[in-house]
Amino acid sequence: EAAVTQSPRNKVAVTGGKVTLSCNQTNNHNNMYWYRQDTGHGLRLIHYSYGAGSTEKGDIPDGYKASRPSQENFSLILELATPSQTSVYFCASATANTGQLYFGEGSKLTVL
Amino acid sequence: GDQVKQSPSALSLQEGTNSALRCNFSIATTTVQWFLQNPRGSLMNLFYLVPGTKENGRLKSTFNSKESYSTLHIRDAQLEDSGTYFCAAPSSGSWQLIFGSGTQLTVMP
Repeated sequence: EAAVTQSPRNKVAVTGGKVTLSCNQTNNHNNMYWYRQDTGHGLRLIHYSYGAGSTEKGDIPDGYKASRPSQENFSLILELATPSQTSVYFCASATANTGQLYFGEGSKLTVL
Repeated sequence: GDQVKQSPSALSLQEGTNSALRCNFSIATTTVQWFLQNPRGSLMNLFYLVPGTKENGRLKSTFNSKESYSTLHIRDAQLEDSGTYFCAAPSSGSWQLIFGSGTQLTVMP
């Protein structure tokens, strides 16, 4: 079973502050993803990566940056957090050949 | 419109009964994945399917690519089966998964 861990699991931030959500996977998957989940919108893709050093924009990248410094780690960065970014964020990883997705436990972010 | 449409949107079952969830696709796809989001919010991958059938314990899923649908059968439902079930599929030529809006399942004692 793929192991994807996220930190922090809960975060309260102030408007205009910087937030970094971290994700680590221990299964040597090439692909990693950041989604957000909101009531009424389901899961929406923010950024993804094909491997170390690569980041790509998903469907809703505005206001977010991503960083993939290694195969194992993929971070989501909110440089200037806004209340509209209050959400639950999920990291996921997948092998490049099948795309079978494994999610982390989620990170609940509240921006006041 | 909905490229991946799930039905029903919500379902209540008595413990020990059987049911089926359905996912219809308006996109051409060669694989489908099913996930369960439990009441604590964790998302678990239940199945990754190419056309055909897979079974895991009390769960069985089929994917019919020609008729563009997939089903998830739950046999002998248990309380711990409660949660929201999502199906997802990539559109042809893309890897990006398109998620359905989910079926919220409640199993009652």
